[in-house]
Amino acid sequence: GESVGLHLPTLSVQEGDNSIINCAYSNSASDYFIWYKQESGKGPQFIIDIRSNMDKRQGQRVTVLLNKTVKHLSLQIAATQPGDSAVYFCAETDNFNKFYFGSGTKLNVKP
Amino acid sequence: GAGVSQSPRYKVAKRGQDVALRCDPISGHVSLFWYQQALGQGPEFLTYFQNEAQLDKSGLPSDRFFAERPEGSVSTLKIQRTQQEDSAVYLCASSPVTGGQMGAFFGQGTRLTVV
Repeated sequence: GESVGLHLPTLSVQEGDNSIINCAYSNSASDYFIWYKQESGKGPQFIIDIRSNMDKRQGQRVTVLLNKTVKHLSLQIAATQPGDSAVYFCAETDNFNKFYFGSGTKLNVKP
Repeated sequence: GAGVSQSPRYKVAKRGQDVALRCDPISGHVSLFWYQQALGQGPEFLTYFQNEAQLDKSGLPSDRFFAERPEGSVSTLKIQRTQQEDSAVYLCASSPVTGGQMGAFFGQGTRLTVV
């Protein structure tokens, strides 16, 4: 099956700094990607998505970058806040019905 | 409530027992997904419904797992003869559109522990 993985299992950043979370995927046919945030004891929460016909998409304090050539996805969080502490997952699909999630990156924001 | 509701929140089952996990999606949502999340791992796809039709069940790990959504709203995930490897958090998600375009809204999950 498809493989969606993350380079760094844990990322620690200082409050106010920018965070970058990376994700690699293996299915070149994937055409839709989502970043989710999961806090302890809760279900994943949608952050931002991007389609394969784009290479960048911006939201509020977050930016997703997609490099299809190397099958790499990143999530940038500007001015990281303590409330951003969570586990972040990337998810991919090639049919919009079945999503493959990575194993997650834990983001620790130090005050 | 306004979100996806799952019950029970926690379930302890003896090995060999049957369990039923319930998902109440957001009202009017067309799509419904079930995922299994092992400790420290990302969610793994189990099955997808569009209204009452189960369009993809390729992620169900064995024939002990069965899901239904008979009226296109509430869904139940049933696990027969539970085994220790079934211990996980079972997540339900719903979406207002067909498929997972625009992402999906997840419930808090049901934590199943098989002893």
